Amino acid sequence: GESVGLHLPTLSVQEGDNSIINCAYSNSASDYFIWYKQESGKGPQFIIDIRSNMDKRQGQRVTVLLNKTVKHLSLQIAATQPGDSAVYFCAENGNNNDMRFGAGTRLTVKP
Amino acid sequence: DGGITQSPKYLFRKEGQNVTLSCEQNLNHDAMYWYRQDPGQGLRLIYYSQIVNDFQKGDIAEGYSVSREKKESFPLTVTSAQKNPTAFYLCAIATGTHGYTFGSGTRLTVV
Repeated sequence: GESVGLHLPTLSVQEGDNSIINCAYSNSASDYFIWYKQESGKGPQFIIDIRSNMDKRQGQRVTVLLNKTVKHLSLQIAATQPGDSAVYFCAENGNNNDMRFGAGTRLTVKP
Repeated sequence: DGGITQSPKYLFRKEGQNVTLSCEQNLNHDAMYWYRQDPGQGLRLIYYSQIVNDFQKGDIAEGYSVSREKKESFPLTVTSAQKNPTAFYLCAIATGTHGYTFGSGTRLTVV
């Protein structure tokens, strides 16, 4: 079946460095993608989204890149801070007007 | 959590017991969703409802039941038929602009 997955389950970066979290999706019909951040014991929080008619979208310290040719999504976090430590999920719109989530990448920021 | 409230935060269930998790929203959104999250895994869809008095099974509906008698409320019952109910349960609403807004979750443990 269709699925959303992540290349790496964990990522450790030094404070102040840039982070890149990757995601592969398999449903070529998906036209909407979201990145969520989930801190321990809490629900996921929206970070940034992108529609399939765009290649790049920037927010505050975050950028999402979409490569539809290879069905790849990435989240870039600039100047990573300790507060960025969390699990990051990518999600795509599913067939039932729901969102399909990947397994997540745990980002750890070292001081 | 942006107007979506889950309760309780922690719940303990004995073997063979049914328990009900509450999800309430005051944002007047139609679509509501229940997801299950296991450690180190992504979110899996249990049930969703796009309108009052209507709901649909997700990927892992067996052992669960829901109701949608009011727009504001979408309770999830974990029945005794669910053999492995220990997990983190997340309720979400579809905002229509930024994907989902999630509640803070209920952690269910079998004792």
